[in-house]
Amino acid sequence: SYELTQPPSVSVSPGQTATITCSGDKLGNKYVSWYQQKPGQPPVVVIYEDTRRPSVIPERFSGSNSGNTATLTISGTQAIDEAEYFCQAWDALTFYVFGTGTKVTV
Amino acid sequence: EVQLLGSGGGSVQPGGSLRLSCAASGFTFSEYAMNWVRQATGKGLEWVSAISATGGDTNYAESVKGRFTIFRDDSKNTLYLQMASLRVDDTAVYFCVKDSRVEVGATNWLDSWGQGTLVAVSS
Repeated sequence: SYELTQPPSVSVSPGQTATITCSGDKLGNKYVSWYQQKPGQPPVVVIYEDTRRPSVIPERFSGSNSGNTATLTISGTQAIDEAEYFCQAWDALTFYVFGTGTKVTV
Repeated sequence: EVQLLGSGGGSVQPGGSLRLSCAASGFTFSEYAMNWVRQATGKGLEWVSAISATGGDTNYAESVKGRFTIFRDDSKNTLYLQMASLRVDDTAVYFCVKDSRVEVGATNWLDSWGQGTLVAVSS
């Protein structure tokens, strides 16, 4: 089955840039979405189709995807960005595949 | 505003059954595929099942295939998940999730999530 691997945790100082990676075989050939989940809340999509951002998501969130790695970047990280982030890609056999999740501490 | 209100969760013994419901509002329900995604406490996200906008195409994770059935009633704007032969490892919060398109596919994303309903399977 297709697997997506993320670092368990990322720590960042307020105002700095947080970089979260997501690794998978030939991931660059797939569309990747990113979801933010705060404790006790459902996930919210912050990036879809590798780089696109829903209108309600701040511009400090951006995404890229190439080779075997997709990246979510949070520029000028704020305390409210503290959450767990999951990447997601599509696999023909298992449909929506989620990454292992990364806890971002600000 | 999209709203997805899940219900039907609860405690059940192994081997038991449960039906989850998800009442949708704020969008044209019949025009979108829908999904169920679950999350065990402290764990990651696991896609469970999907149904196309027409209801004619359904798909399941291997872990639930043959035990769970997804269906929808567009006249009631409601999504369902019928769960049977429940196991302890089915214990999780189940999220009702709106898809981004009519059919599930490689270019899709999960654009709106309900609050989730807890299913606890134990003896």
